[in-house]
Amino acid sequence: KQEVTQIPAALSVPEGENLVLNCSFTDSAIYNLQWFRQDPGKGLTSLLLIQSSQREQTSGRLNASLDKSSGRSTLYIAASQPGDSATYLCAVDRGSTLGRLYFGRGTQLTVWP
Amino acid sequence: KAGVTQTPRYLIKTRGQQVTLSCSPISGHRSVSWYQQTPGQGLQFLFEYFSETQRNKGNFPGRFSGRQFSNSRSEMNVSTLELGDSALYLCASSEGTGASPLHFGNGTRLTVT
Repeated sequence: KQEVTQIPAALSVPEGENLVLNCSFTDSAIYNLQWFRQDPGKGLTSLLLIQSSQREQTSGRLNASLDKSSGRSTLYIAASQPGDSATYLCAVDRGSTLGRLYFGRGTQLTVWP
Repeated sequence: KAGVTQTPRYLIKTRGQQVTLSCSPISGHRSVSWYQQTPGQGLQFLFEYFSETQRNKGNFPGRFSGRQFSNSRSEMNVSTLELGDSALYLCASSEGTGASPLHFGNGTRLTVT
């Protein structure tokens, strides 16, 4: 069974800081890893998808890395802004059950001015 | 392209009733999956449909069912509602192939009284 853990559960930082959010998974036989953000009462917004053959993906101030063998991923947010405040969720899927994502419980991020 | 559309946004039902939720995927997407999100359990996978066939199913009782139509639109039905079914129900669509990211709708907030 695939279990996904995210650390820390919550993070509160001043604007401008560089951040690292962590995600770990127990079964390394993944196909993709995807990072999402969720604003209160809303759905999930896809941020980055890393295929199992890749090591990292970048989009603007976001950089996600994947170490499949150790079952870890990190999301790096550069120069954080108050608009980055949200819950960040990590999810993995497996080739044997394509279409099903296993989610972590998320990191609730607050960036204050 | 229009995003994933879920209707209705909010729903209040009484125990014992049944409910049908609707999801229109992004144009061209053939896979639709459903998730239940609660504060206690986080995001849990319900089922996934690809080209009108259920491809994956999570560990939910038979009261939870779904279907997908030829235009890829999907419906989810919950019969004999229980208080514990109160949750945010999220629909996601994707191309359904190996490296296609999931795109989520804003969800339907179901409250069972």
